[in-house]
Amino acid sequence: EDQVTQSPEALRLQEGESSSLNCSYTVSGLRGLFWYRQDPGKGPEFLFTLYSAGEEKEKERLKATLTKKESFLHITAPKPEDSATYLCAVQPSGSARQLTFGSGTQLTVLP
Amino acid sequence: DAGITQSPRYKITETGRQVTLMCHQTWSHSYMFWYRQDLGHGLRLIYYSAAADITDKGEVPDGYVVSRSKTENFPLTLESATRSQTSVYFCASTPGDLRYTFGSGTRLTVV
Repeated sequence: EDQVTQSPEALRLQEGESSSLNCSYTVSGLRGLFWYRQDPGKGPEFLFTLYSAGEEKEKERLKATLTKKESFLHITAPKPEDSATYLCAVQPSGSARQLTFGSGTQLTVLP
Repeated sequence: DAGITQSPRYKITETGRQVTLMCHQTWSHSYMFWYRQDLGHGLRLIYYSAAADITDKGEVPDGYVVSRSKTENFPLTLESATRSQTSVYFCASTPGDLRYTFGSGTRLTVV
């Protein structure tokens, strides 16, 4: 059974304090791993898709990396506007495009 | 406006009533999905559709019915609402290239 586990559940950082969020996954074959950002009362917003181990993608203060068993979302010098819940999801090979999500990491960046 | 829209935004219904949540996308994406989001469970797949008139069950389909007579619409019906179906429901679509777009969600309360 496909499984996605995110840690920590919640993270509080001071503005400028860099850190990483973890996403561990178990899947029979990986078609893609996704990172989404979700603000309160809104739908998930796409950040990155990673396809193979060793791949990295960056967007502003965010950088996502992928290994065969986990993915990291590195946040460099975060700002209060980076506060949100970050969701990780996998799409197994051979699936009809559906995603399996982790429970998310709630990030709070204090000014 | 291009995008994916869900209606209603909020809904309160009584136990045993039938209720339909609407989802409309303007891109003609092939794939559409319904997820529910609950504290501690993350996003769980209810039903998905690969094209008009093609639907299939996800992880938690019991008590729900879907249809897709037109590519752009994917309504979700709760045949006889129960309190356990109180949740936030998200619709999503993708053309199949692994990039998903989510709607803003419907917050459903069953009393």
